[in-house]
Amino acid sequence: TQLLEQSPQFLSIQEGENLTVYCNSSSVFSSLQWYRQEPGEGPVLLVTVVTGGEVKKLKRLTFQFGDARKDSSLHITAAQPGDTGLYLCAGPYGGATNKLIFGTGTLLAVQP
Amino acid sequence: ETGVTQSPTHLIKTRGQQVTLRCSSQSGHNTVSWYQQALGQGPQFIFQYYREEENGRGNFPPRFSGLQFPNYSSELNVNALELDDSALYLCASSDSGARANVLTFGAGSRLTVL
Repeated sequence: TQLLEQSPQFLSIQEGENLTVYCNSSSVFSSLQWYRQEPGEGPVLLVTVVTGGEVKKLKRLTFQFGDARKDSSLHITAAQPGDTGLYLCAGPYGGATNKLIFGTGTLLAVQP
Repeated sequence: ETGVTQSPTHLIKTRGQQVTLRCSSQSGHNTVSWYQQALGQGPQFIFQYYREEENGRGNFPPRFSGLQFPNYSSELNVNALELDDSALYLCASSDSGARANVLTFGAGSRLTVL
C-alpha cells in the first residue's frame, strides 16, 4: 500500500522565518508533486519533481526529490502571511500520473 | 480558459439520503477525477472518468458512483449517506496528453451529513 506521510502536521511561525516540510514514503514514486490549498479552495499545483536528487526553485520555495525517490522536501525562505495554507505532497496512484495519492498534509500558519 | 466549476458549494443531508454533486471540467480537459477530503486531511482518490467510462477507482464502496457526459462534465452520486461521508468533495480535470499529470481542481462541494 502506497502511503505518503508528511511532517510536521501543523506549523505556526512568524513572518520572515524559514521552514521545511517533509514528505516520506516506504514506496518508490516515479514523480512527486506539491500542492498548496487555501481555505475554501481546491489544491493548486506548485511543482512536479521527476528525477531522484532533483532540486527545483519557485521564488522563495525550494523543492527536493530524494535520491531514492521515496521522499521529498519543501523549504520556504523568509515566510510571508500569503504562504499560509495546507501543503500537500502527492504521487501517482497505482502508477498512473493523473490519479493521485496525497500525503497527510502540513497546515502552515504564518503570523505577521 | 475557464477553470473547474463545482456545484453545489455547500449542502446538508441526513443519514440514508442520496446526493448528486456536479463538476464542469476545464476547457480542453477530457478526464475528470473525484476526491474526498476529510477535514484537515489530504484528499483521497474516489474514481476517474475518461471517455464516459470509469477509468480507475480508489478504496470506496459501490454506493459511490459517477457519470461522465459527452461534454466531459461529470457527476458524483452517493447513496445511503453515512455520517462519515461528511467531507469536501473535489473534482479535478486533466487532459490525456503530455500534461496528463497537471490536474486542475475545483473549489469543492462541502457535504455535511446529519
